[in-house]
Amino acid sequence: GEDVEQSLFLSVREGDSSVINCTYTDSSSTYLYWYKQEPGAGLQLLTYIFSNMDMKQDQRLTVLLNKKDKHLSLRIADTQTGDSAIYFCAESNPTSGTYKYIFGTGTRLKVLA
Amino acid sequence: GAGVSQTPSNKVTEKGKYVELRCDPISGHTALYWYRQSLGQGPEFLIYFQGTGAADDSGLPNDRFFAVRPEGSVSTLKIQRTERGDSAVYLCASSQLGTSTDTQYFGPGTRLTVL
Repeated sequence: GEDVEQSLFLSVREGDSSVINCTYTDSSSTYLYWYKQEPGAGLQLLTYIFSNMDMKQDQRLTVLLNKKDKHLSLRIADTQTGDSAIYFCAESNPTSGTYKYIFGTGTRLKVLA
Repeated sequence: GAGVSQTPSNKVTEKGKYVELRCDPISGHTALYWYRQSLGQGPEFLIYFQGTGAADDSGLPNDRFFAVRPEGSVSTLKIQRTERGDSAVYLCASSQLGTSTDTQYFGPGTRLTVL
């Protein structure tokens, strides 16, 4: 079945770049998303990428997609303490007849001042 | 409203009791989703609605779980004979199907604790 995996933890210094990685198994995935979850808060959509794209940039965020390896990454430039949170990648495949998202287990990013 | 809202924000109940969790989607969104997030895990899909009907309920864990959306807007997730293993944050999301991105917008969740 579909599966999405992420590393559990990442620690970076303020001002450095963060790279959060995600691998997925469903080669039919059409859309891939990155969400941010802060303590006690809901999921906030950060960005998304279509499967026919290799890269998408949105201000400090850069998403890279390697379809061959089924690998997705999120790069945060100039990481700030406010970026400390859990980051989830998610994939969906509406062509399969359902619009559900499959989420990874989340990567906890800790930004050190 | 401006975003997805969920009530209550916290619910504590005893094993064996019945609970209802409510979700108010973004106005005009045709699709509504329920997910469950256990501690340290990502959200897991439960069910989604297109309008009033459940289009995919493959994620409901068993027949103690049921959800309705009678008028195509507000939805209620109902759990009968609650068990301690049902303790989790229940997330609701909505989206406007038919758009190119089909992005789901999430509410803050209801934290359910079964004692």
